[in-house]
Amino acid sequence: DVKVTQSSRYLVKRTGEKVFLECVQDMDHENMFWYRQDPGLGLRLIYFSYDVKMKEKGDIPEGYSVSREKKERFSLILESASTNQTSMYLCASSSLWRERGDFGPGTRLTVL
Amino acid sequence: GQQVMQIPQYQHVQEGEDFTTYCNSSTTLSNIQWYKQRPGGHPVFLIQLVKSGEVKKQKRLTFQFGEAKKNSSLHITATQTTDVGTYFCADRTPSGNTGKLIFGQGTTLQVKP
Repeated sequence: DVKVTQSSRYLVKRTGEKVFLECVQDMDHENMFWYRQDPGLGLRLIYFSYDVKMKEKGDIPEGYSVSREKKERFSLILESASTNQTSMYLCASSSLWRERGDFGPGTRLTVL
Repeated sequence: GQQVMQIPQYQHVQEGEDFTTYCNSSTTLSNIQWYKQRPGGHPVFLIQLVKSGEVKKQKRLTFQFGEAKKNSSLHITATQTTDVGTYFCADRTPSGNTGKLIFGQGTTLQVKP
């Protein structure tokens, strides 16, 4: 079974802090995704990576950046956290564009 | 960009009643995936539909892909309390050699025992 892990289940940060959310998958998947989930808004794509060092913006990239230096790891960076970035962050991976997405457990981030 | 609209947002049913959620797109979809997220959990893949007019069944769940590949539906027959959760459709239409995974807003199902 694919295992997708995220560095923290819960995280509390202060406004203005730099925040790193890490995601690691163990199945050699090419594609990795970062989403945020808010009530009534579903899963919104922040960034997508289809290969090492390759990335594409999703629907809501503002205020976020990503890094993919190794195939198994995809990091989401909040350069200067703001309260409106309080949310559930979900990472997913998949092998090819037509394949299923496998999700990590999520990180609930609170920015005070 | 890619966008899928899902309705209804919420549905409350009595145990034993049927349930349907609908997913619509203004553009033709290459394939569509369905996921279920239990309360407090993460989305879990259920099924993928690829062909026009395709119908697939998983026990009490029936998935359909429209003839024009612009809509899809998930129907649950005789709901049970274990069906509680949020159901998402997702567009997996390719862009070049890659493919974003774009989700609808989800339908949250509550089942009263």
